[in-house]
Amino acid sequence: ETGVTQSPTHLIKTRGQQVTLRCSSQSGHNTVSWYQQALGQGPQFIFQYYREEENGRGNFPPRFSGLQFPNYSSELNVNALELDDSALYLCASSPGTGRGSYEQYFGPGTRLTVT
Amino acid sequence: SQQGEEDPQALSIQEGENATMNCSYKTSINNLQWYRQNSGRGLVHLILIRSNEREKHSGRLRVTLDTSKKSSSLLITASRAADTASYFCATDAWSGGGADGLTFGKGTHLIIQP
Repeated sequence: ETGVTQSPTHLIKTRGQQVTLRCSSQSGHNTVSWYQQALGQGPQFIFQYYREEENGRGNFPPRFSGLQFPNYSSELNVNALELDDSALYLCASSPGTGRGSYEQYFGPGTRLTVT
Repeated sequence: SQQGEEDPQALSIQEGENATMNCSYKTSINNLQWYRQNSGRGLVHLILIRSNEREKHSGRLRVTLDTSKKSSSLLITASRAADTASYFCATDAWSGGGADGLTFGKGTHLIIQP
């Protein structure tokens, strides 16, 4: 078990709604990354926050946004939900430098279902 | 897009046997990592191998990396029922600028038969 926690565990939303997912990093970690994992696929990189600033972004539209707080916890916000947003959302923290990706400590994930 | 491709997609072996999974990738990398995932939950980091390393060991795990062939293998020796999980390779190809995150393959689903 890592020290990374995520909430909620499961969530059901309706198409067009907005959702906020939360992540608490492992103590001492200043970098948080978010990944989306569709069923039967590997995780896909959404974005990374390093010292409260977005440090990099994958191929996701602007309706996916995030925040990192001074205690290094983080939020992922998704606006105008689409059916294809249904997935497991994983948060990962690491004691990074903002350069490259090394060992990631993943939380248990939030399962989002959009109907 | 997914850079890594694991092979096989699924593998079923008897407890005590060795399991080998392979991963191929497309671009130059800084490091390659292997993760385990149980039942669609969070991923657990297993091992990281840097681009200038060829082999690395951790307990019952052995990872090799061949950058000329852009491939890696994960060997689990003396498998146990608890090793049943999905295994993913992930590459870091950061080359400056903003973070690119890890690029994962689709995974190998390993089943250990008691």
